[in-house]
Amino acid sequence: EAGVAQSPRYKIIEKRQSVAFWCNPISGHATLYWYQQILGQGPKLLIQFQNNGVVDDSQLPKDRFSAERLKGVDSTLKIQPAKLEDSAVYLCASSLDPRAYEQYFGPGTRLTVT
Amino acid sequence: GEDVEQSLFLSVREGDSSVINCTYTDSSSTYLYWYKQEPGAGLQLLTYIFSNMDMKQDQRLTVLLNKKDKHLSLRIADTQTGDSAIYFCAERGGGFKTIFGAGTRLFVKA
Repeated sequence: EAGVAQSPRYKIIEKRQSVAFWCNPISGHATLYWYQQILGQGPKLLIQFQNNGVVDDSQLPKDRFSAERLKGVDSTLKIQPAKLEDSAVYLCASSLDPRAYEQYFGPGTRLTVT
Repeated sequence: GEDVEQSLFLSVREGDSSVINCTYTDSSSTYLYWYKQEPGAGLQLLTYIFSNMDMKQDQRLTVLLNKKDKHLSLRIADTQTGDSAIYFCAERGGGFKTIFGAGTRLFVKA
């Protein structure tokens, strides 16, 4: 079974530029999560999708971050414009449904904003 | 609000046991987890315990849960150099949201 795929693995941009990350969850997983992991901290949930609908985006900085999950499969997370404090690893995870006890994580995208 | 705390570093000798501790605040937690993260990789679920259990053993891993004190621990027996990683404690509350601690970096000395 293929795992959660993410691209790119690394991205370096200057502040005020835009960037987009892509995630392909495990086939059949209805729930998709985007987490932000700042160096030295644990992952923090940014947004959770159930199929193509948003379940929780309470911690998403909506003035600069946006995410979509068209057709309930792949998802993209965009930052526009980026700030220095957005430097982090962005992790995508998926689960069968919101009640499933296990989330499966992708390898993450390491973003550096200079 | 919900919070998960754990010590930041632990250093052990190869062959010894490692014990990583964690405290959490959400009394309505349903599942408590231990994840492992190796350099450049995502999180891997090591083990989990349901909130109505007080112990779970899985090969070299033993999880102890003290629900009264909201304390969770992970014991790794016969620690190997390959166990060097960051270990995250996490709890899932009644709203199905998972809250992670900051991670404990385990160093294993040969």
